[in-house]
Amino acid sequence: GESVGLHLPTLSVQEGDNSIINCAYSNSASDYFIWYKQESGKGPQFIIDIRSNMDKRQGQRVTVLLNKTVKHLSLQIAATQPGDSAVYFCAENGSGANSKLTFGKGITLSVRP
Amino acid sequence: DADVTQTPRNRITKTGKRIMLECSQTKGHDRMYWYRQDPGLGLRLIYYSFDVKDINKGEISDGYSVSRQAQAKFSLSLESAIPNQTALYFCATSDRGLYGYTFGSGTRLTVV
Repeated sequence: GESVGLHLPTLSVQEGDNSIINCAYSNSASDYFIWYKQESGKGPQFIIDIRSNMDKRQGQRVTVLLNKTVKHLSLQIAATQPGDSAVYFCAENGSGANSKLTFGKGITLSVRP
Repeated sequence: DADVTQTPRNRITKTGKRIMLECSQTKGHDRMYWYRQDPGLGLRLIYYSFDVKDINKGEISDGYSVSRQAQAKFSLSLESAIPNQTALYFCATSDRGLYGYTFGSGTRLTVV
């Protein structure tokens, strides 16, 4: 069946380094992708999105890359800070007006001081 | 005030009890969702509603029911709670034609 998954369950990075979180998706019809951040005790919060007609989108300290050829999505965080420590989810939205988001299982980012 | 408000934030209940989790939103969104989050399993969809007269089962609806009382309100009920329903529950909303979801802060439910 279709699925969205993350390659690694945890990622530990040094403060100040760049972080890269990867996500594989299998629904080739998906036309919209989102990264969410979930801090402890809170609900997931939108970070950045990208549509399938793009391969890169930048925000403040974050960049999302989409490779439709290999169905791969990544989130890059520049100059990782302690406040970036959280669980990160990728999500995909299939095409169609009534499609819904499918979420990956999440990866924990831990920032070492 | 939060855009999506869930009540209660935490609840401990006994096996067999009926419990209702409530969600209200000020976003004006048509679409509302209930998700369950368990460690290692990510977010799993329980029920969703695309408008007030629309209710749909998600991937894990057994043991749950919902009510869409108004555009802004979507409640989740456990008719007879069981321990494996212990989890973190999230309500989310989205607007028609736009795909990003706005999540509430969650309800941590423990069934003993």
